[in-house]
Amino acid sequence: GIQVEQSPPDLILQEGANSTLRCNFSDSVNNLQWFHQNPWGQLINLFYIPSGTKQNGRLSATTVATERYSLLYISSSQTTDSGVYFCAVEEWGGSYIPTFGRGTSLIVHP
Amino acid sequence: DTAVSQTPKYLVTQMGNDKSIKCEQNLGHDTMYWYKQDSKKFLKIMFSYNNKELIINETVPNRFSPKSPDKAHLNLHINSLELGDSAVYFCASSQAEQNEKLFFGSGTQLSVL
Repeated sequence: GIQVEQSPPDLILQEGANSTLRCNFSDSVNNLQWFHQNPWGQLINLFYIPSGTKQNGRLSATTVATERYSLLYISSSQTTDSGVYFCAVEEWGGSYIPTFGRGTSLIVHP
Repeated sequence: DTAVSQTPKYLVTQMGNDKSIKCEQNLGHDTMYWYKQDSKKFLKIMFSYNNKELIINETVPNRFSPKSPDKAHLNLHINSLELGDSAVYFCASSQAEQNEKLFFGSGTQLSVL
């Protein structure tokens, strides 16, 4: 099956800093999604982004499908950005089952 | 209105018991899923189900079984619970064949004593 690797595994920031999270995948994909799991455990879908760039407030994401990676940018980080960020991909020609990376754990200090 | 709801939120039980977790989605989605999140936060697919096909992750013990009374529900039944079953279980849904977003329920934290 497809392999999904996220980096870095852990990230600690001071409030106001910017950061870039990376997701690499081993094969062609139908789609790619980014999720945020907050400290209360809730999983929120941030972006559905099989290719190209999208922005939502302080967050933006870019997927370069031909090079098999996606980036999630967080600008002017806030303490509420803390949590775990997951990338999930569906393999091209697969069975519509998102496969998750192991996540990036982000802590933003005030 | 909660889009994907699962109950209970917490489930504490003894080894050997049988338990169920319920999941309902009101989004009209065609596909529902169960994921298991372990203590290291890794999310692993257990089942995927639409009205045509049930896909089972081969690593899931057959003590686990999904049951779908209708398109909006996918419940998870677990027989003969073991200590290693302790984890957070998430239900999710999407309009998969239209390549749309995946939405999660709030999770059920299962503790087997």
